[in-house]
Amino acid sequence: GDSVTQMEGPVTLSEEAFLTINCTYTATGYPSLFWYVQYPGEGLQLLLKATKADDKGSNKGFEATYRKETTSFHLEKGSVQVSDSAVYFCALIGTGGFKTIFGAGTRLFVKA
Amino acid sequence: GAGVSQSPSNKVTEKGKDVELRCDPISGHTALYWYRQSLGQGLEFLIYFQGNSAPDKSGLPSDRFSAERTGGSVSTLTIQRTQQEDSAVYLCASSLLGDRGYEQYFGPGTRLTVT
Repeated sequence: GDSVTQMEGPVTLSEEAFLTINCTYTATGYPSLFWYVQYPGEGLQLLLKATKADDKGSNKGFEATYRKETTSFHLEKGSVQVSDSAVYFCALIGTGGFKTIFGAGTRLFVKA
Repeated sequence: GAGVSQSPSNKVTEKGKDVELRCDPISGHTALYWYRQSLGQGLEFLIYFQGNSAPDKSGLPSDRFSAERTGGSVSTLTIQRTQQEDSAVYLCASSLLGDRGYEQYFGPGTRLTVT
């Protein structure tokens, strides 16, 4: 079945550091890919998405590119802030599907 | 506009009791989903509704779990004879259509604690 694998955390960075959170997936066809963020004490929010190969999703300085050849959707940000501290979930919805399959989540701590 | 709302926000219940969790989706959204977020299992899909019907109940962990949706809107997730392993945050989401291209909007969740 479809699955998502993302790097284990926690990830601890200093403010203004470069962030990469790796995400790879297994799915048939062309799934839609998502990054969700969960800030402390809050619900899940969609951060960005890409629905076809080579699409780049971007929001709030975060970017991720849908790479079909490597089945990846890595999340990047050039300069993190303390306010980016949260748990980040990579996810997919498979072709012909509707349920979201989530990765295990990666907790990010950003130090001032 | 209003987002997905869930009630109660927190529920503490004794083992063996039944509980009902409610979800109000975004108005006009035809698709509704239930997920569970727990420490050991991460985020798991439970059930999906398209309108009032549930084409996929594959994620329900046991026959103690059931869900219904009425009027194409509000949904209730019922857990009978609760067990401690049912303790988790139960999340509801809705989307305009039940298709992979449509973003799912999540509610704040109901934190269930079974003592």
